[in-house]
Amino acid sequence: DGGITQSPKYLFRKEGQNVTLSCEQNLNHDAMYWYRQDPGQGLRLIYYSQIVNDFQKGDIAEGYSVSREKKESFPLTVTSAQKNPTAFYLCASSRAGGYNSPLHFGNGTRLTVT
Amino acid sequence: LAKTTQPISMDSYEGQEVNITCSHNNIATNDYITWYQQFPSQGPRFIIQGYKTKVTNEVASLFIPADRKSSTLSLPRVSLSDTAVYYCLVGESGGYQKVTFGTGTKLQVIP
Repeated sequence: DGGITQSPKYLFRKEGQNVTLSCEQNLNHDAMYWYRQDPGQGLRLIYYSQIVNDFQKGDIAEGYSVSREKKESFPLTVTSAQKNPTAFYLCASSRAGGYNSPLHFGNGTRLTVT
Repeated sequence: LAKTTQPISMDSYEGQEVNITCSHNNIATNDYITWYQQFPSQGPRFIIQGYKTKVTNEVASLFIPADRKSSTLSLPRVSLSDTAVYYCLVGESGGYQKVTFGTGTKLQVIP
């Protein structure tokens, strides 16, 4: 079955360390997205990518970085510059982006930084 | 992007039909309406999408009046497993666009 795989499910890091969250999809989708969700809140867009080797900042890109070297992969690095990194991170993909191409989400990575 | 307004929360008893309304007064001609469902500690899941009138699938129905300034997600005979957050999104079809979510409606189904 096709889908999106995020790993690991839980991640713990010390403050000041960079950490990379993995996102892989086998749906052959062009567009991929990273969202952050805080308790009781909606999803906020961090970065999105329309095509390999291209990506754009979302609403809260500061303190994060991404790469899109392969169509299937869109890793997110949470850098030490991110002031409040503890959150639930969700990766998604879609066929052509836009609202008539539904998003397919992974099951998320819960990052805790102490 | 058209802004949406949904109730923050709703309660319903098992077996009842639940209707969640979303207001989108500034919807544009090319905008579609999409609903997602999210369970705790999981990613949102696509439920249904429509442009006008009524759309029905195996999970839900979506009612869109002629002026398209609102839409109603209808869940028939809810069960405890329908307890989740439901998001309404409005935006233009096609192309590559930032897809953003609001805070959604938290539906609590009561036994």
